[in-house]
Amino acid sequence: EDKVVQSPLSLVVHEGDTVTLNCSYEVTNFRSLLWYKQEKKAPTFLFMLTSSGIEKKSGRLSSILDKKELFSILNITATQTGDSAIYLCAVPLIQGAQKLVFGQGTRLTINP
Amino acid sequence: DSGVTQTPKHLITATGQRVTLRCSPRSGDLSVYWYQQSLDQGLQFLIQYYNGEERAKGNILERFSAQQFPDLHSELNLSSLELGDSALYFCASSVDAGVKYNEQFFGPGTRLTVL
Repeated sequence: EDKVVQSPLSLVVHEGDTVTLNCSYEVTNFRSLLWYKQEKKAPTFLFMLTSSGIEKKSGRLSSILDKKELFSILNITATQTGDSAIYLCAVPLIQGAQKLVFGQGTRLTINP
Repeated sequence: DSGVTQTPKHLITATGQRVTLRCSPRSGDLSVYWYQQSLDQGLQFLIQYYNGEERAKGNILERFSAQQFPDLHSELNLSSLELGDSALYFCASSVDAGVKYNEQFFGPGTRLTVL
């Protein structure tokens, strides 16, 4: 069964800290991995990773994929209270259609 | 704003009832996806439609059904509602459903509460 597992499920840090969120996966026909940020409502897209070892970066957020060990990490440096959200990792399964298999999410809380 | 719209935003109903959730995809998107997000299950794929045809099914209960209309909007029908159906229901859309992944854009969701 295709599976995506995130850790930790919950994380509370202080503003300015650096955090690392983990996502491991077991899927057939893996092609890419996605990271989403979910604040109050809809998940918003952060990164799509397809190649091992190539870091994707957007401001203070960065992510990398390891296709050999089947995991990805999302780093957030110099965290701000606005980074508080649920971070979701997902893998698209594409076999004539496409659906996203999501991990449980990591609830990140940044305290001032 | 992703361009995907969902109505209603909130829905409160009783067990045993039937409700319809509506989704309008982004302009130009042919694929619509439905996801359910509950506290204990996380975000789960329910069903996908592409240009009016069902393309993929996930963990969708038999009490639930969906369709996509010629104007590409979609409706998710939930019947014989149970307390456990209380959740956030998201619709997402993408350009197509081909062999290459196309980014899915999520709507704001409908929060369903079954009392």
